[in-house]
Amino acid sequence: DVKVTQSSRYLVKRTGEKVFLECVQDMDHENMFWYRQDPGLGLRLIYFSYDVKMKEKGDIPEGYSVSREKKERFSLILESASTNQTSMYLCASGPEGAREKLFFGSGTQLSVL
Amino acid sequence: AQKITQTQPGMFVQEKEAVTLDCTYDTSDQSYGLFWYKQPSSGEMIFLIYQGSYDEQNATEGRYSLNFQKARKSANLVISASQLGDSAMYFCAMRVLDTGRRALTFGSGTRLQVQP
Repeated sequence: DVKVTQSSRYLVKRTGEKVFLECVQDMDHENMFWYRQDPGLGLRLIYFSYDVKMKEKGDIPEGYSVSREKKERFSLILESASTNQTSMYLCASGPEGAREKLFFGSGTQLSVL
Repeated sequence: AQKITQTQPGMFVQEKEAVTLDCTYDTSDQSYGLFWYKQPSSGEMIFLIYQGSYDEQNATEGRYSLNFQKARKSANLVISASQLGDSAMYFCAMRVLDTGRRALTFGSGTRLQVQP
């Protein structure tokens, strides 16, 4: 089975802290994604990466950056966490192919106090 | 840009009955794919079913079927013989196939509760 692993299920941070959310996939997928999920808004794309060291902004990239130094690992960075970044963060990966589904991790519920 | 609309924030259904979850989409592209995912309270996103815009038949996967009406731009999920374990959030998503965009665009979701 494909596994997408997010390092933390719950995380509590303080305003202004630098926060790292880690995601690892074990299926050699080219594409990796970070979404945030908020009630009533569904999933919104923050960033995605289609290759090592390659990244593209999604729909809501402000306040976030990403890093992909190895194919299996995709990190989301909050440079200076703010309370409006309290959310559920979902990592996903997927192979090349327009009809291919995405595989998701279990999510990280981040609270910024 | 693509947009997915799910107009039912919450739905109730009796166990063993069928239920339809609505999804409409907006795109000017002709080649696209539609996906449905289930998210139980545990949080993981589970892929249910896929429909391509040029697929001649409506997709089916076990108790899940997709009522695809291209002219109306709708892709409703039908769950037959509901079970208690079907209680979850359900998300409709799409990807335009010819643009190289790899990400899925999601709707706001529908929370389904199956009652015994």
